[in-house]
Amino acid sequence: AQKVTQAQTEISVVEKEDVTLDCVYETRDTTYYLFWYKQPPSGELVFLIRRNSFDEQNEISGRYSWNFQKSTSSFNFTITASQVVDSAVYFCALSEIVTGTASKLTFGTGTRLQVTL
Amino acid sequence: KAGVTQTPRYLIKTRGQQVTLSCSPISGHRSVSWYQQTPGQGLQFLFEYFSETQRNKGNFPGRFSGRQFSNSRSEMNVSTLELGDSALYLCASRGVEQYFGPGTRLTVT
Repeated sequence: AQKVTQAQTEISVVEKEDVTLDCVYETRDTTYYLFWYKQPPSGELVFLIRRNSFDEQNEISGRYSWNFQKSTSSFNFTITASQVVDSAVYFCALSEIVTGTASKLTFGTGTRLQVTL
Repeated sequence: KAGVTQTPRYLIKTRGQQVTLSCSPISGHRSVSWYQQTPGQGLQFLFEYFSETQRNKGNFPGRFSGRQFSNSRSEMNVSTLELGDSALYLCASRGVEQYFGPGTRLTVT
């Protein structure tokens, strides 16, 4: 069975601080996808990134960066110079691969990030 | 390109009633998945449809059902509503990525 653990329930930072959200996963599949989603107060899940299990390159997109380490089954997300608009709940998710695309997502419990001035 | 749309956005029902929620995926996407989000259980997978066929199902009772039409639009139905069915129901449209709609917030009283 697949499992995603986000041990940090809530994080509070002051604007411009860097913050890292942790994600640890368990799966017996040899190939899988990992995702991060952002859920602002409006409720919609906003797609941030998808990573293939066979691609361990770190990725940077603006102020966002992701560190995927297969050896420790972790897929951590760092926001550099956080802003108030980053305040949201962030979910890490894992999916099996069916016919080359992501299927059912298994979500972590989410980390609520509060960025204050 | 239009995103995923879900209707209605908010719904209040009484215990014992049934409800139907609708989801229109992104144009060209043939797969639709449904998820339930509650404070206690978090985000849980309900089912997935691809080309009008249910391809995967989560651990929910038979009161939860769904279907997909030839235009890829999907509906989910919950019969004999219980208080615990109060949740945000999210629909995901799948191409290479999974993009979510704004959700339908169902309140059962």
